[in-house]
Amino acid sequence: GAVVSQHPSRVICKSGTSVKIECRSLDFQATTMFWYRQFPKQSLMLMATSNEGSKATYEQGVEKDKFLINHASLTLSTLTVTSAHPEDSSFYICSARPPGQGTNQPQHFGDGTRLSIL
Amino acid sequence: EDKVVQSPLSLVVHEGDTVTLNCSYEVTNFRSLLWYKQEKKAPTFLFMLTSSGIEKKSGRLSSILDKKELFSILNITATQTGDSAVYLCAVGFGGSGNTPLVFGKGTRLSVIA
Repeated sequence: GAVVSQHPSRVICKSGTSVKIECRSLDFQATTMFWYRQFPKQSLMLMATSNEGSKATYEQGVEKDKFLINHASLTLSTLTVTSAHPEDSSFYICSARPPGQGTNQPQHFGDGTRLSIL
Repeated sequence: EDKVVQSPLSLVVHEGDTVTLNCSYEVTNFRSLLWYKQEKKAPTFLFMLTSSGIEKKSGRLSSILDKKELFSILNITATQTGDSAVYLCAVGFGGSGNTPLVFGKGTRLSVIA
């Protein structure tokens, strides 16, 4: 079945560090990928929509200069948290939907990246 | 504003019990409703529902959608400790098929031996 791979799974770093998270679709091409954030005991909240070959679309309240998204190929989107601070500590998850078969394909999620900023 | 409401928010049952999780939604241009199970990592897909009244079943889990009343239920029979997880309901909308999902807050299910 469709697989989405996310790396790294866990990051612990000092405040002020920039962190890059990769999201890959392993057996399908994804022109669109989604980045979500999940705080403890909260649900997944959409941060941005990553579009291959064009600019990402950010949700209200998400700073595009802080959360840089690059979707350089049909199988890879990256999210860079620039100058991360403790309040950015969260669980970041990407998803993509395999194409074809109309709209009857569910979105598949990567395993997520748990980011802890000290 | 699109929203998805799940109830209960948490539930504790004993092994062997049957549970019903609820999800109601209000979205513009509804396309599909999905159920996911989330343990320690990212959500894993359970069901995708697009038509009213058609039950989807996988082992001890089943789900059904009512598009008139705008809700769905997820049933788990003969629960086991391995069913302990957060169950997320999400709704897809829009005509393109490649739009993000709107998630509910989840139901945290704890199954005790």
